[in-house]
Amino acid sequence: EDQVTQSPEALRLQEGESSSLNCSYTVSGLRGLFWYRQDPGKGPEFLFTLYSAGEEKEKERLKATLTKKESFLHITAPKPEDSATYLCAVQTSTSGTYKYIFGTGTRLKVLA
Amino acid sequence: SAVISQKPSRDICQRGTSLTIQCQVDSQVTMMFWYRQQPGQSLTLIATANQGSEATYESGFVIDKFPISRPNLTFSTLTVSNMSPEDSSIYLCSVDGGQVDGYTFGSGTRLTVV
Repeated sequence: EDQVTQSPEALRLQEGESSSLNCSYTVSGLRGLFWYRQDPGKGPEFLFTLYSAGEEKEKERLKATLTKKESFLHITAPKPEDSATYLCAVQTSTSGTYKYIFGTGTRLKVLA
Repeated sequence: SAVISQKPSRDICQRGTSLTIQCQVDSQVTMMFWYRQQPGQSLTLIATANQGSEATYESGFVIDKFPISRPNLTFSTLTVSNMSPEDSSIYLCSVDGGQVDGYTFGSGTRLTVV
């Protein structure tokens, strides 16, 4: 069964304290892995797409990496405005049908 | 990327009633997706709405409970029918922005059934 697991469920960091969020997946026919940020009361906002193992993408203080089993979202020197829930999702392709599976997210709180 | 306007943003409803959620996209899209996000859980796809055809529902979701309309390429509605407290959740619509933009989501409708 296709599955996406994110850890930790919640993370509290001091401002400037770098850390990583994990997204592990067990799927067949991976087409892409997506990272989203979700603020309270809002829909998810797209951050990155990764397609193949070894790929990396960066945006400001965020860097996403991908292996064959998992993805990491590295946050370097975070600021309070980085506080949000970070969701990963995998898009799979089975017999020509695309399917999008979300993890449950990591709630990040960055303290000033 | 597309911009989606979703309304209402929140509502409190009596059990047994129905609520219709609307999503308007600022560009024409073939498919629109409806998701449910229950507290502490991941987003779950309810159905995919194509213009001109009946929506395709995921396992566990049925048309009688979640009827969907898709009258044109920029608009869709999801109705939550005969609501119970278990339907309390956030409902989101989404469109596929492709590999560059990923999925774009509406701001969500927070539904509370009392």
